[in-house]
Amino acid sequence: DTAVSQTPKYLVTQMGNDKSIKCEQNLGHDTMYWYKQDSKKFLKIMFSYNNKELIINETVPNRFSPKSPDKAHLNLHINSLELGDSAVYFCASSQGLRPNTEAFFGQGTRLTVV
Amino acid sequence: GESVGLHLPTLSVQEGDNSIINCAYSNSASDYFIWYKQESGKGPQFIIDIRSNMDKRQGQRVTVLLNKTVKHLSLQIAATQPGDSAVYFCAENKGGNTPLVFGKGTRLSVIA
Repeated sequence: DTAVSQTPKYLVTQMGNDKSIKCEQNLGHDTMYWYKQDSKKFLKIMFSYNNKELIINETVPNRFSPKSPDKAHLNLHINSLELGDSAVYFCASSQGLRPNTEAFFGQGTRLTVV
Repeated sequence: GESVGLHLPTLSVQEGDNSIINCAYSNSASDYFIWYKQESGKGPQFIIDIRSNMDKRQGQRVTVLLNKTVKHLSLQIAATQPGDSAVYFCAENKGGNTPLVFGKGTRLSVIA
């Protein structure tokens, strides 16, 4: 029973397209995140949501728009995709606004923009 | 041995030996630290955590050491196995409403 699940696992698309990545967690956590991992494996926080409200937006271009319909879901919509958006995107969740317990990660979505 | 440079730092160890992976963290106010393991094609998985009021914590085959004086964290893996091959990340909670911030990662390669 997957705790944090993301779809799709792989996404290949052309520059200029709009795409969405979905994330769901069944852990009952109230905080969810999107992280971006580049080709050097560096993991960088993009967004943090608590109880459907945006808490953190780490200077991400406004082409990226997260949406949280309920606290178990945090989707990521990307407009006008660019080559530099190619990366692996990870959704994560934790209990509490301040994660003094670990964050649980999904399997990742590998986005390739061609 | 260990190598650094443009690529991810890599630590190569012989199967059965102990591994030590090091991490320097940035914020002296950070009070919670986690080690994550990321296998190829998977998301990071929790290994062990430590709070700033401790300097050592042990799990099964793993030990985390925290030196707040020099802002250094290490992960020791005893009797390293091929299944330990992965990229290891340290992460810190910098306080306030901030999410975990990850270090650069170290690739552990176990030689059978």
